[in-house]
Amino acid sequence: SQQGEEDPQALSIQEGENATMNCSYKTSINNLQWYRQNSGRGLVHLILIRSNEREKHSGRLRVTLDTSKKSSSLLITASRAADTASYFCATILTGGGNKLTFGTGTQLKVEL
Amino acid sequence: EAGVVQSPRYKIIEKKQPVAFWCNPISGHNTLYWYRQNLGQGPELLIRYENEEAVDDSQLPKDRFSAERLKGVDSTLKIQPAELGDSAVYLCASSPAGEYSPLHFGNGTRLTVT
Repeated sequence: SQQGEEDPQALSIQEGENATMNCSYKTSINNLQWYRQNSGRGLVHLILIRSNEREKHSGRLRVTLDTSKKSSSLLITASRAADTASYFCATILTGGGNKLTFGTGTQLKVEL
Repeated sequence: EAGVVQSPRYKIIEKKQPVAFWCNPISGHNTLYWYRQNLGQGPELLIRYENEEAVDDSQLPKDRFSAERLKGVDSTLKIQPAELGDSAVYLCASSPAGEYSPLHFGNGTRLTVT
């Protein structure tokens, strides 16, 4: 079963624009992580936000977390063609040990 | 640092045949995961090891799937016999201990069952 659902399922933007992806989850979490997956490859970790954090930045990435709404968003600023990939949120549940449960993903296409 | 290595990269078999996947995690990572990813979906956990111990195999279809992690390093995942619905990408990942440790993934094995 998948804990998170991403919205939108697919997103197409022009290079230079910002891309925003949202993730909703169902139960209390310890932390939430975002991963990127290029076609035919494994997933690559982007950023981790703990349940007591509200916002985190890494380069062109900005992640927010709203535990009251059980939701997170990933913002990619000044997108590039190389950002074209699928993006997944994943959660560690409170008391869930190291079990990471992934959402359904957002397919991002950045066009030149 | 060398990444997670999986083999084979692709595998095509007929239904009812056995198949095995191999994973070599990053050195020093004591947690190892096997995930299955269907087309257009997120990965779903099959089994998680802490060193040699399978600590979460609740999602592993035990009638046909088996896994082992001898000596707490390499791991193999086996399917016997394979069914058409097993066609998917099988991903291995590893991480250091701790719930704030990100996962490092291999490139996966794409299995096609005909």
